[in-house]
Amino acid sequence: GDSVTQMEGPVTLSEEAFLTINCTYTATGYPSLFWYVQYPGEGLQLLLKATKADDKGSNKGFEATYRKETTSFHLEKGSVQVSDSAVYFCALSDYQGAQKLVFGQGTRLTINP
Amino acid sequence: DTAVSQTPKYLVTQMGNDKSIKCEQNLGHDTMYWYKQDSKKFLKIMFSYNNKELIINETVPNRFSPKSPDKAHLNLHINSLELGDSAVYFCASSQGKGTGFRETQYFGPGTRLLVL
Repeated sequence: GDSVTQMEGPVTLSEEAFLTINCTYTATGYPSLFWYVQYPGEGLQLLLKATKADDKGSNKGFEATYRKETTSFHLEKGSVQVSDSAVYFCALSDYQGAQKLVFGQGTRLTINP
Repeated sequence: DTAVSQTPKYLVTQMGNDKSIKCEQNLGHDTMYWYKQDSKKFLKIMFSYNNKELIINETVPNRFSPKSPDKAHLNLHINSLELGDSAVYFCASSQGKGTGFRETQYFGPGTRLLVL
């Protein structure tokens, strides 16, 4: 079945550092890929998405490129802020009839001032 | 205005009780979902409904029964609660029939359930 694997957390960085959170997937079809973010005590918010190969999703300084050849969708940000501290989830939605999101295990990110 | 709302936000109850969680969306979406997030933050889909019709029913104990009185509401009723049901339950919604794999799902704030 479909699956998503994210880099193990937690990840701790200093403010203004460069961020990469790795995400790879396994899918039987040609999925859409998503990054969701969960701030402390809140629900999930869509951060960005990409629906076909080589698409780049971007939002709030975060970027991720859909790489079909490496089945990856790594999240990057050039300069993180304390307010970026949250749990980040990579997810896919495959064309298997009914839509459902398959999530990775989440990566907790802490940014220190 | 809150797009996807859930009540209650917190729910503490005893084993064996029956409880319900309510979800409402004001986005005009046709499809709604329930996800469960366990203590390790792992998220898994439980159910989805399109316009009051059940689409997805993942391997969930039949103690869990979703009910959709209209397309803006999807409630989750849980009978005979067990310790393992303790989790955060998220409601979500998306536009369309729930078969479009490019659709974005919008999540509610979650309901934290603790079974003692």
